[in-house]
Amino acid sequence: ETGVTQSPTHLIKTRGQQVTLRCSSQSGHNTVSWYQQALGQGPQFIFQYYREEENGRGNFPPRFSGLQFPNYSSELNVNALELDDSALYLCASSEDWGGQQFFGPGTRLTVL
Amino acid sequence: RKEVEQDPGPFNVPEGATVAFNCTYSNSASQSFFWYRQDCRKEPKLLMSVYSSGNEDGRFTAQLNRASQYISLLIRDSKLSDSATYLCVVNEGTGGFKTIFGAGTRLFVKA
Repeated sequence: ETGVTQSPTHLIKTRGQQVTLRCSSQSGHNTVSWYQQALGQGPQFIFQYYREEENGRGNFPPRFSGLQFPNYSSELNVNALELDDSALYLCASSEDWGGQQFFGPGTRLTVL
Repeated sequence: RKEVEQDPGPFNVPEGATVAFNCTYSNSASQSFFWYRQDCRKEPKLLMSVYSSGNEDGRFTAQLNRASQYISLLIRDSKLSDSATYLCVVNEGTGGFKTIFGAGTRLFVKA
């Protein structure tokens, strides 16, 4: 059974650019959630996709957007990058929208 | 008031000690509860789900008190390998799904 995978591992962008992060969910999981984790803090919920529809959203501006594909993999897109967007971005999948979540290793984004 | 609050830590304990983590949540309609463990520069890993009836897994015991909106985690006979950050997690399903993590409590277990 393959776990949750994310790509890329690391990424460096400049302010104002756009970025796309990718996540493959664990086999049998139909739900993907995305989180932003700054150093020394707990993960902050960005949004969740359940069966290709956005199922919930945290307090992030509209420049954070996402997609879930028919195979339940997912993308996180961030437009107009700001310095404060530098963080570890985590993806988690679950069998259902309220269930236990299994995390990928994350993408570390640095915005210069 | 934060939606999910944990003891700020860090906790420094000797091997063999019993350590308790506490967590409170603000939304009485919260639906499910978990403890995760996160090692330095790694992703969070599920430690255990938390139920009102309490649940135990080896040296770990978790408890939920819905009336007090309080969650606890007890680790008995601490091992060096228990050193990590412990994250309290609450799922809310009202008005759209949301998962809320506490800021985490860092645990250092020393020989």
